[in-house]
Amino acid sequence: QQQVKQSPQSLIVQKGGISIINCAYENTAFDYFPWYQQFPGKGPALLIAIRPDVSEKKEGRFTISFNKSAKQFSLHIMDSQPGDSATYFCAADSTGNQFYFGTGTSLTVIP
Amino acid sequence: ETGVTQSPTHLIKTRGQQVTLRCSSQSGHNTVSWYQQALGQGPQFIFQYYREEENGRGNFPPRFSGLQFPNYSSELNVNALELDDSALYLCASSSPGRRGANTGELFFGEGSRLTVL
Repeated sequence: QQQVKQSPQSLIVQKGGISIINCAYENTAFDYFPWYQQFPGKGPALLIAIRPDVSEKKEGRFTISFNKSAKQFSLHIMDSQPGDSATYFCAADSTGNQFYFGTGTSLTVIP
Repeated sequence: ETGVTQSPTHLIKTRGQQVTLRCSSQSGHNTVSWYQQALGQGPQFIFQYYREEENGRGNFPPRFSGLQFPNYSSELNVNALELDDSALYLCASSSPGRRGANTGELFFGEGSRLTVL
């Protein structure tokens, strides 16, 4: 059973546009929701993370929106750039020792 | 500051063989987690080691085993390899602290790509 469901599987956005990736979870014990970015041939790297006591967190062009009642969270990439082309994974954790990852979204930003 | 390093980067084995993958954690990190990433999928948690003890295990059979050494480096061993074990194996280190004070961030290595024929 997939603990964290992620959509879409792939996304194509024009340069300067907004990229939006969505995730949903069921386990209400999750209390840490990171987003990881992975380039081909590399390991995932933390992009931004949120805890459920806030509804939004912004870091530069990247924003996480969190809806605790709906058990959903999303990543917004503003002013998308070709260098943002990568695979993005949402994840969730409740204990600090077992992260559940989504299936990933392949983002392509067209110049 | 040295990041997470894994070896080997690529290897090919045949079904039934055994494999050992190695990981050196980032400086100052005492916790190592292993993840399996099948092609086109998200990482799946195998297990975590904290101070040389297993500290959580995902839904993987006992033929997946691990070790952590006093210098916090780690090994992942897989016995009786199956075709479905073909994947990228990722090691991640972290430094746990009080929940809320610690970001809980995982620092991943670049992985070991295992192909089982």
